[in-house]
Amino acid sequence: GQNIDQPTEMTATEGAIVQINCTYQTSGFNGLFWYQQHAGEAPTFLSYNVLDGLEEKGRFSSFLSRSKGYSYLLLKELQMKDSASYLCAEKDSNYQLIWGAGTKLIIKP
Amino acid sequence: DGGITQSPKYLFRKEGQNVTLSCEQNLNHDAMYWYRQDPGQGLRLIYYSQIVNDFQKGDIAEGYSVSREKKESFPLTVTSAQKNPTAFYLCASSLGQGGAEKLFFGSGTQLSVL
Repeated sequence: GQNIDQPTEMTATEGAIVQINCTYQTSGFNGLFWYQQHAGEAPTFLSYNVLDGLEEKGRFSSFLSRSKGYSYLLLKELQMKDSASYLCAEKDSNYQLIWGAGTKLIIKP
Repeated sequence: DGGITQSPKYLFRKEGQNVTLSCEQNLNHDAMYWYRQDPGQGLRLIYYSQIVNDFQKGDIAEGYSVSREKKESFPLTVTSAQKNPTAFYLCASSLGQGGAEKLFFGSGTQLSVL
């Protein structure tokens, strides 16, 4: 079956930069999503990549390499409100989402 | 403002009881989904519906049932056959199911067993 792998937890300092990695199996790929989820709340859409390269959107950027089955989410100028879980999800050949377990990002002052 | 609303926020189920989680959207989206979220695991798809009066099982449909009588509504019933129902349940919708279609999520229902 499909597997999405991302680190369980990361810690970073306010004002710094952090990169959250995600690897997936490359068969039947139809796009890679990143969502942000604060504890006990709804996930919210951050980014979608279907072509190789970097997509920049304000403080957040997302990168995709289809040949390597690899994506990352880059967060710059970290703020305390960025403390959340970041969910990576691949859209498969049936257009269904396969979700990673999420990376809990802890921001320290 | 358009959005997707789940209720209740917290729900408790007694042994042998069926409970129903509500999900309503006013985004005019065709597709709706139910996911289950457990600690340390990715979201798992329970059921989805691409159009009114039609729905398909997801990866973990056993012990659950749904209906889609109206475009706006996609309620989920957790039946007594679901032996481990404690989880955070998320409803979502999307305009369609194409590659770039993003999901809009409700705020979730935390279901616990008494």
